[in-house]
Amino acid sequence: QVQLQESGPGLVKPSETLSLTCTVSGGSMSSFFWGWIRQPPGKGLEWIGYIYYSGSPNYNPSLRSRVTMSVATSNNQFSLRLTSVTTADTAVYYCARSEWGSVYDYWGQGILVTVSS
Amino acid sequence: EIVLMQSPGTLSLSPGERATLSCRASQSVSSSYLAWYQQKPGQAPRLLIYGASSRVTGIPDRFSGSGSGTDFTLTISTLEPEDFAVYYCQQYGSSPLTFGQGTRLEIK
Repeated sequence: QVQLQESGPGLVKPSETLSLTCTVSGGSMSSFFWGWIRQPPGKGLEWIGYIYYSGSPNYNPSLRSRVTMSVATSNNQFSLRLTSVTTADTAVYYCARSEWGSVYDYWGQGILVTVSS
Repeated sequence: EIVLMQSPGTLSLSPGERATLSCRASQSVSSSYLAWYQQKPGQAPRLLIYGASSRVTGIPDRFSGSGSGTDFTLTISTLEPEDFAVYYCQQYGSSPLTFGQGTRLEIK
């Protein structure tokens, strides 16, 4: 059974960089797309982007200037960096797996990241 | 970017009743690349339906999806207590992937 687990700081100051890592267990990262989706408290879901296991990313244009994703298959991990954060970036961040860069069939439990001074 | 509008915002029904949730797209979703997710409080979304009408393995057959083009529907034939949750549609026919704002299905 594939499992994903997000990790990283739960509090980030405005203008700083949010960095999260997702660790994948119970399966190979090969041939899959690995994505990030976020959900502000009490609101809906926003797709941030995904990265193919070989390293090709696809970002949401609304965040593209601030987002970088990377993958380290040897460690069964992939990562998200979001620069110049504001309070609008406060959300639960989910990592998830996609077979074709389309729908997400396995999700992490989510990590709440609060942007506050 | 394709905008998805879900209706109603909140649906109040009783166990045993039939639920019909709507998802309308601002432009045609190519190849019916439309999915539905269920999210319960404090949990990650769970994929129910993909390709507009294909049920994920392990999802009960009371859940069904239909539609094409710009109009899609998720139907729950006979509501069970565990079905009360928030439901999101998602299109993956064009980038960026987008989600609807959700329909809250609550117990009447």
